[in-house]
Amino acid sequence: VQLQQSGPGLVKPSETLSLICTVSGDSISGYSWSWIRQPPGKGLEWIGYIYYSGSTNYNPSLKSRVTISKDTSKNLFSLELSSVTAADAAVYYCAKARVTTGGMDVWGQGTTVTVSS
Amino acid sequence: SSELTQPPSVSVSPGQTARITCSGDALSKSYAYWYQQKPGQAPLLLIYKDIERLSGIPERFSGSSSGTIVTLIISGVQAEDEADYYCQSADSSDAWVFGGGTKLTVL
Repeated sequence: VQLQQSGPGLVKPSETLSLICTVSGDSISGYSWSWIRQPPGKGLEWIGYIYYSGSTNYNPSLKSRVTISKDTSKNLFSLELSSVTAADAAVYYCAKARVTTGGMDVWGQGTTVTVSS
Repeated sequence: SSELTQPPSVSVSPGQTARITCSGDALSKSYAYWYQQKPGQAPLLLIYKDIERLSGIPERFSGSSSGTIVTLIISGVQAEDEADYYCQSADSSDAWVFGGGTKLTVL
């Protein structure tokens, strides 16, 4: 399985950040998928995941602004983060989560997102 | 939400054993996972379910667990092991959480 991230690297304040993670090598249907971010010079922050069943779970600190969805016909999943501020600037990663044993064993290449007008 | 606490830094000489701890209430109920991240790279899963080593990960990496503390153990540390290490678990609502990360320096 490989993950290819796409989306704009520059987002204006108050607008919505949208990223896509395209999955190759296997069907998206049998796994769970997650988004993680890392502000410059800081640690990893879990954003949320979409379970193989389609249910979602989000970081409580971001829950009001986050939507993670998937498109099984295109074998991709996506992240939307609304009302962004400078604090949302980070490297954003998508990752595949192992359903039975847990952990995220395949990661995308990362997308650096800058928030600026 | 639950927190996971890691020491900011650990230093060891080559060939020695490095131990990186991760503590938090969530660990008494949920498994821990360990990731290695080198500069400019995505994280790499090393250990899952507290003590299981992912296929392809060198045997010098191992995990242990006791109550609310899990430990990543790197035996015979090599220069290439210098990296940031993160623990990850889940809280009671199944929200995932990362520790703050530990920078391993090989002297």
